[in-house]
Amino acid sequence: QQQVKQSPQSLIVQKGGISIINCAYENTAFDYFPWYQQFPGKGPALLIAIRPDVSEKKEGRFTISFNKSAKQFSLHIMDSQPGDSATYFCAASMRNRDDKIIFGKGTRLHILP
Amino acid sequence: DTGVSQDPRHKITKRGQNVTFRCDPISEHNRLYWYRQTLGQGPEFLTYFQNEAQLEKSRLLSDRFSAERPKGSFSTLEIQRTEQGDSAMYLCASSLRRFSGRTNNEQFFGPGTRLTVL
Repeated sequence: QQQVKQSPQSLIVQKGGISIINCAYENTAFDYFPWYQQFPGKGPALLIAIRPDVSEKKEGRFTISFNKSAKQFSLHIMDSQPGDSATYFCAASMRNRDDKIIFGKGTRLHILP
Repeated sequence: DTGVSQDPRHKITKRGQNVTFRCDPISEHNRLYWYRQTLGQGPEFLTYFQNEAQLEKSRLLSDRFSAERPKGSFSTLEIQRTEQGDSAMYLCASSLRRFSGRTNNEQFFGPGTRLTVL
């Protein structure tokens, strides 16, 4: 079963617009929710992460919104730039256990210049 | 470069051959993870090490797969009798697991080894 469900599969946004990617999880034992950014030919790189005891975390143009009761979280990219064009993965892990990361299937984001 | 390195970056092999990949983690990182990523999918966990001990293996890791981390530093992933379904990107990640305090234990990924089985 897919433990982390991500949508949309692909997304096209105009430069300067807001990109929104949504994720849902099933296992309430998850206690760490990172977002990864991956460029072609590269490994994933941590973008921003949140713990379930906060509802929002902001770092620059990137914001995670977290809804614990709905078991959903989302990534907002403000003022999207062509350099943000990449594949984004939401993920979840259990920090008090093995730390293995369960990834969503990814969203291919393309920012139009 | 102090990041995670993987070798080779690309490997093309014929079905039935054995292949071995190497991962060098960030120095002093005590945890090392292997993931597999197929086209259009997110990475999937394969196995991980705490120092030299292999603590968990995914059911994705068939008997043809074996991983080692002999001295708690670099790791190797070997696939025996490769099949076309093994074609994927194999990613290695490392982290420094602290057992006290509130830490993130962030995993840093290498660039991956892309395997193509003909």
